[in-house]
Amino acid sequence: RKEVEQDPGPFNVPEGATVAFNCTYSNSASQSFFWYRQDCRKEPKLLMSVYSSGNEDGRFTAQLNRASQYISLLIRDSKLSDSATYLCVVLPSGSARQLTFGSGTQLTVLP
Amino acid sequence: EAGVAQSPRYKIIEKRQSVAFWCNPISGHATLYWYQQILGQGPKLLIQFQNNGVVDDSQLPKDRFSAERLKGVDSTLKIQPAKLEDSAVYLCASSLLGLAGTYNEQFFGPGTRLTVL
Repeated sequence: RKEVEQDPGPFNVPEGATVAFNCTYSNSASQSFFWYRQDCRKEPKLLMSVYSSGNEDGRFTAQLNRASQYISLLIRDSKLSDSATYLCVVLPSGSARQLTFGSGTQLTVLP
Repeated sequence: EAGVAQSPRYKIIEKRQSVAFWCNPISGHATLYWYQQILGQGPKLLIQFQNNGVVDDSQLPKDRFSAERLKGVDSTLKIQPAKLEDSAVYLCASSLLGLAGTYNEQFFGPGTRLTVL
């Protein structure tokens, strides 16, 4: 089983749509969680951290369910510029502290 | 502020040849990472440096891959000899040295796209 699993998509949605991505992780001792965004042929960039209480940044909402080891990202009112691959990232507790990336979910927002 | 610099941006070699990649992290960032990203997958950590010491190289294929960060700033990653399956984007990232138990954001460079023929 992969440490971090995501639906690879692709998700093709019209502008203005709401889209949700899901991610599951296998290491119950994982401590921190993030969503990264990677544009085509570009480097990954941090989109937002994910907190147990859920957090929102503009049109983006991230949620964490530790009991189910499940992370989600909701994008409201999709823009063309949201087209990218969204990577679910997990940081385990302990001294190693290496980021573990999912394979990413590809989103294309259509005009 | 300048970001993480990497060179070359693209490299095409034949299998069994050698190749080297260079990374210059963000000024002041003590921690440097090399990742391998195969098409359709997320980045996979190869090696992590803290200053000029190796923190973790457990996923580095040491029979063919080597990396160094001699002066605690720039780093090079070398593959010798290359195999077809090494075709990937090699990403360098850097972060501040955080206190124990804290996480500092990793900033990625643009990557080197390697094609092994």
